[in-house]
Amino acid sequence: SQTIHQWPATLVQPVGSPLSLECTVEGTSNPNLYWYRQAAGRGLQLLFYSVGIGQISSEVPQNLSASRPQDRQFILSSKKLLLSDSGFYLCAWSKEDNQPQHFGDGTRLSIL
Amino acid sequence: QKEVEQDPGPLSVPEGAIVSLNCTYSNSAFQYFMWYRQYSRKGPELLMYTYSSGNKEDGRFTAQVDKSSKYISLFIRDSQPSDSATYLCAMFSAGGTSYGKLTFGQGTILTVHP
Repeated sequence: SQTIHQWPATLVQPVGSPLSLECTVEGTSNPNLYWYRQAAGRGLQLLFYSVGIGQISSEVPQNLSASRPQDRQFILSSKKLLLSDSGFYLCAWSKEDNQPQHFGDGTRLSIL
Repeated sequence: QKEVEQDPGPLSVPEGAIVSLNCTYSNSAFQYFMWYRQYSRKGPELLMYTYSSGNKEDGRFTAQVDKSSKYISLFIRDSQPSDSATYLCAMFSAGGTSYGKLTFGQGTILTVHP
């Protein structure tokens, strides 16, 4: 069966520091991969998605970037965090475009 | 107007009650519909996935889609305290530049008390 791992589970970072969140999927090949942010009391906002290695599409212009160095690895990064980057970051995968997405357990990011 | 509207609740029901959760949407291109359950501090977990109009049942859960009214529902029978969570509806269209991109409702917070 397929599993998705995200780490760390929680992270507290100072304003202006860099960020790297990692997501890996096991048990499948060439998945679609997604990064979402979920603000308190609100739905999920799609940040990036990837249909293959090195292929990244950005949905929202912002202080973040994403990379996919390997087939089942997806990384969310920032060079300098802003207070507004606080939130719950979720990684998801799907087998194909018309298949449902499956989520990891997220990273809760707090910026001080 | 949001593409997907979902009453955030909160909704509080006694154990054993039938729960009805609903979403309306405005984009007629949406063809695939999902319900996710999200426990506190966890990622959303897929509950139901439907493509066509009509009903789909899985244990105590029934998903209903009415494309003519742009309305989807999730029914939970014999609700349990363990069903207490946030329920998110989600949908996406087929074809075009939005293919496969999920649009979520805001989520409904459900509490089932013993």
